[in-house]
This record gives sequence, structure tokens and C-alpha cells, in this order.
Amino acid sequence: GESVGLHLPTLSVQEGDNSIINCAYSNSASDYFIWYKQESGKGPQFIIDIRSNMDKRQGQRVTVLLNKTVKHLSLQIAATQPGDSAVYFCAEGMGVQGAQKLVFGQGTRLTINP
Amino acid sequence: GAVVSQHPSRVICKSGTSVKIECRSLDFQATTMFWYRQFPKKSLMLMATSNEGSKATYEQGVEKDKFLINHASLTLSTLTVTSAHPEDSSFYICSARKTGIGNSPLHFGNGTRLTVT
Repeated sequence: GESVGLHLPTLSVQEGDNSIINCAYSNSASDYFIWYKQESGKGPQFIIDIRSNMDKRQGQRVTVLLNKTVKHLSLQIAATQPGDSAVYFCAEGMGVQGAQKLVFGQGTRLTINP
Repeated sequence: GAVVSQHPSRVICKSGTSVKIECRSLDFQATTMFWYRQFPKKSLMLMATSNEGSKATYEQGVEKDKFLINHASLTLSTLTVTSAHPEDSSFYICSARKTGIGNSPLHFGNGTRLTVT
């Protein structure tokens, strides 16, 4: 079936450390992946995306890695800050381009300890 | 750019009544909008795809007569929860993608917290 799941439901890191959030997906036909951050009571906020023809993409303090061989996606956050505390979701793009729907994983709650 | 506004942010209604939630793309046009539902400490579950000028596409298990979707313009989609019951209480979130752009992120509203008493 189609599913996007996460290895860890919670993750705690010390402020300033790097964090890695993992995600597994099962639909090998998916060609687009996104990471979102959701703070309490708010909608998801886009962090970074990657297309299946890439295996790495970097943004500001964030890096997404895609391993299509094992259907694994990860989000690395460098030098974590208190504001990084949130729930992080990976999402998988399915369908025809222009009308792709996103299927979300279970989410990982990241807590940054001072 | 790419701001999605959702209204209301919170609503409380009585069982048996209907509630309408609006989703607007403020600075872009969206042929397609998506409605998600989220239970506490759970992930977002896609309910339906809202298509401007045509019928919405519902995900398996989502009752189309229960959750009415109207996408009357390129900037507005509405979700109406009809004959609401307490089990409909949830966080409803809409999202939109700029028209004509394929693989691109969805932009989300800030959600509507529905409580049915």
C-alpha cells in the first residue's frame, strides 16, 4: 500500500546540536517529497522539498537526503534552536503533476532542550 | 507570497447543525485545493481534492454528502460539514498549490478547530 512512515515518534536534542529526522516510504513510484514543520494549533509550514532525480538538497540549516534504493528520506537540521521545536512531517507526492496530492507520514515531535 | 487563509479558526456548533469553513488563496490562483483532517497527535489525513469548476474528488472512506466541497473560484474553496456529530470534531486544514506548477509544495492554511457539542 501507500504509506509514509517515520522511525521515531519523538526526538530530543540539545540546543546547538544537529538533529536527524527519518522517514520511510513505500511507493516507489513517488517522485516528489517534502518536509513540513507544524507548530501547535497551526497548519504545516514548508521546509524543503526534493525531487526523485536528486539525492540531496540543502537549504538554510536544513538538508534533505533521499535514498530511493531503500525508500528512505531524512531531514537534517543543523545547529538547532529553540524555535525548531515542533512536529515534523514528511510527505510524498502522488499523482499527475499539477494535481499531485500529498500523503503525510506520522510525524516526529522534535524537542530542543536548552 | 503563497498565503492561504482559512476561516474561521475555531468554531463550536451543536449536533445536527452544519458548519462552513472557507479556504482562500490570497496572492495566487489555485485550480486545485486540498482538504485535510487531523486528529490530536496524529498526522494529516487527506479528505478530498477540490477542483475549481468541477466536482471534488473524495478519498476512500470520506462521505461526500457529509463533507460538501465547493470550489467556485480560483481563490476560494469551502468545506461544509453537514449534520455535524461529536465525532466530526477535529482540526480541518486546507491547502493549495499555485495553478500551473507541477511538483511544488502545497501551502497550508492555519486550520479550523471544529468542536461539535
